[in-house]
Amino acid sequence: DSGVTQTPKHLITATGQRVTLRCSPRSGDLSVYWYQQSLDQGLQFLIQYYNGEERAKGNILERFSAQQFPDLHSELNLSSLELGDSALYFCASSVGPGASNQPQHFGDGTRLSIL
Amino acid sequence: GESVGLHLPTLSVQEGDNSIINCAYSNSASDYFIWYKQESGKGPQFIIDIRSNMDKRQGQRVTVLLNKTVKHLSLQIAATQPGDSAVYFCAENSGAGSYQLTFGKGTKLSVIP
Repeated sequence: DSGVTQTPKHLITATGQRVTLRCSPRSGDLSVYWYQQSLDQGLQFLIQYYNGEERAKGNILERFSAQQFPDLHSELNLSSLELGDSALYFCASSVGPGASNQPQHFGDGTRLSIL
Repeated sequence: GESVGLHLPTLSVQEGDNSIINCAYSNSASDYFIWYKQESGKGPQFIIDIRSNMDKRQGQRVTVLLNKTVKHLSLQIAATQPGDSAVYFCAENSGAGSYQLTFGKGTKLSVIP
């Protein structure tokens, strides 16, 4: 158990809809990272928050947004969903602000299926 | 990051043998590397990490080797067990203040009992 909690585990919805994925980092970790894992793209970094502030942005679509709350949990919002958004979405956390010397610990993901 | 794709490299190993999983990275400025193990239905699990000022690091039954000259990373698993069957990913941080990890193509390890 990594200590990172993601809910829900599975989400099935339709095109055009909006969903919210939730992540609670490990106790003591201030950084939260979101990744998308699909069969044809592997693990892709989306966005990082550190102590409530956006820290880094990766391949995140404009239809997607995230935030980190004062209690350090984070939410990833996906809107105007398309079939191609079907994927596993992972949250990871680390103690500090950077990835240069700290491992990220991953949750078990949310499987999003768009019908 | 590289694409995993549907055609994941596969390594089949007899139980009890040693396994070696390889990873080539592209950024010579990368200064931190991590190996992750991902089992079906689970998230990537941290195994071991290494900084660029080292060329070898050992953990419990695992050893990571880093060759910066040829930009190559390997994970050695001693006395491979059925529970080691999973997909293994290497990840690199490109340094220079970068906050993100770039994941390489995974390798599927299958342990034959």
